[in-house]
Amino acid sequence: QKEVEQNSGPLSVPEGAIASLNCTYSDRVSQSFFWYRQYSGKSPELIMSIYSNGDKEDGRFTAQLNKASQYVSLLIRDSQPSDSATYLCAVSSGGYNKLIFGAGTRLAVHP
Amino acid sequence: ETGVTQTPRHLVMGMTNKKSLKCEQHLGHNAMYWYKQSAKKPLELMFVYSLEERVENNSVPSRFSPECPNSSHLFLHLHTLQPEDSALYLCASSQEASGPGELFFGEGSRLTVL
Repeated sequence: QKEVEQNSGPLSVPEGAIASLNCTYSDRVSQSFFWYRQYSGKSPELIMSIYSNGDKEDGRFTAQLNKASQYVSLLIRDSQPSDSATYLCAVSSGGYNKLIFGAGTRLAVHP
Repeated sequence: ETGVTQTPRHLVMGMTNKKSLKCEQHLGHNAMYWYKQSAKKPLELMFVYSLEERVENNSVPSRFSPECPNSSHLFLHLHTLQPEDSALYLCASSQEASGPGELFFGEGSRLTVL
């Protein structure tokens, strides 16, 4: 069974620090990787997508992908209290848009 | 209205009731999805519709019955549910069902089965 694993947290970081969120996946043929942010009581929203090995930066967010290690991570620089949320890693193996989600990592940024 | 809207936002039903969840997307997308989110568990894909045709049924019990009358509307009909079906049901849409793409989620319908 295809799985996506995340540490449930909570991951607690001080304001201004770098938050590092990690995800591993089991299906070697996975092609597309996503990070969704979900605030408490709200729906998930896409914040990053990455398709090839290496780093992809967007503002304070950097996604990192290592297909050989089946590992994807999200770095949040200069963390803000408004970044406090649950971050969901999602992996697609192609075909119809069948995203497999991890259970999420809860991030808490304290002032 | 913009994005993906779901109604009702909260629903309490008995095990013998019949109810329906409604989803409407205003994004001009061709694919719609139902996901189930239970506490501390990953989002579970239930159904995928592409251009009103069901293309994925992820081993969902028959007490959940989806309906997609057009590319903008999606329903989830519920009957004889079990307490373990209590969860947040999320509707999503995307431009296409095939290939990678951003999913746009609705705010969800919180279901409680007594």
